Amino acid sequence: GDSVTQMEGPVTLSEEAFLTINCTYTATGYPSLFWYVQYPGEGLQLLLKATKADDKGSNKGFEATYRKETTSFHLEKGSVQVSDSAVYFCALSRNQAGTALIFGKGTTLSVSS
Amino acid sequence: EPEVTQTPSHQVTQMGQEVILRCVPISNHLYFYWYRQILGQKVEFLVSFYNNEISEKSEIFDDQFSVERPDGSNFTLKIRSTKLEDSAMYFCASSDHGTRNTEAFFGQGTRLTVV
Repeated sequence: GDSVTQMEGPVTLSEEAFLTINCTYTATGYPSLFWYVQYPGEGLQLLLKATKADDKGSNKGFEATYRKETTSFHLEKGSVQVSDSAVYFCALSRNQAGTALIFGKGTTLSVSS
Repeated sequence: EPEVTQTPSHQVTQMGQEVILRCVPISNHLYFYWYRQILGQKVEFLVSFYNNEISEKSEIFDDQFSVERPDGSNFTLKIRSTKLEDSAMYFCASSDHGTRNTEAFFGQGTRLTVV
């Protein structure tokens, strides 16, 4: 079945460091891909998305490109801030109305000043 | 900004008891979902609901679970006879066209502890 695999955390970085969180997926057809973020004590928030191959999603300095050839959707940010400390979830959605999101296990990012 | 609200934020219940988790989705949304996250594990899909019926459910969503939209605003998840392994964070979500092309908005979650 469909699945999402994320790199294991936690990821610990200093402020202004470069961030990459790897995400690969297995799916039939052409899923949409998402990154969600969960700040401490809060629910999941959509960070960015891409709905077709070669699309780049971007938001708040974060970017991810939908790579069909490598079935990947890696999250990157050029310069992280302390406020980026959170849990990041990669997810996919199949090509059906009302369908579920399938999540990866989440990667905890901790940024220190 | 509209948001999904869930109550209670934390529920403690004895094994074997019934619990009802409540959610108020965003008012103009048409699709509603329940997910759960066991501590330290991935967020798992339970069920989706559209047009007053279940549109998709996972194998986790067995006969002890049920969902209902009792009025025009609430969306509930009932666990009939709780087990220790039901302890988890339960998230409600809603979307307007399904999650393929539009964002699913999540509530802050209800932490269920079964003792």
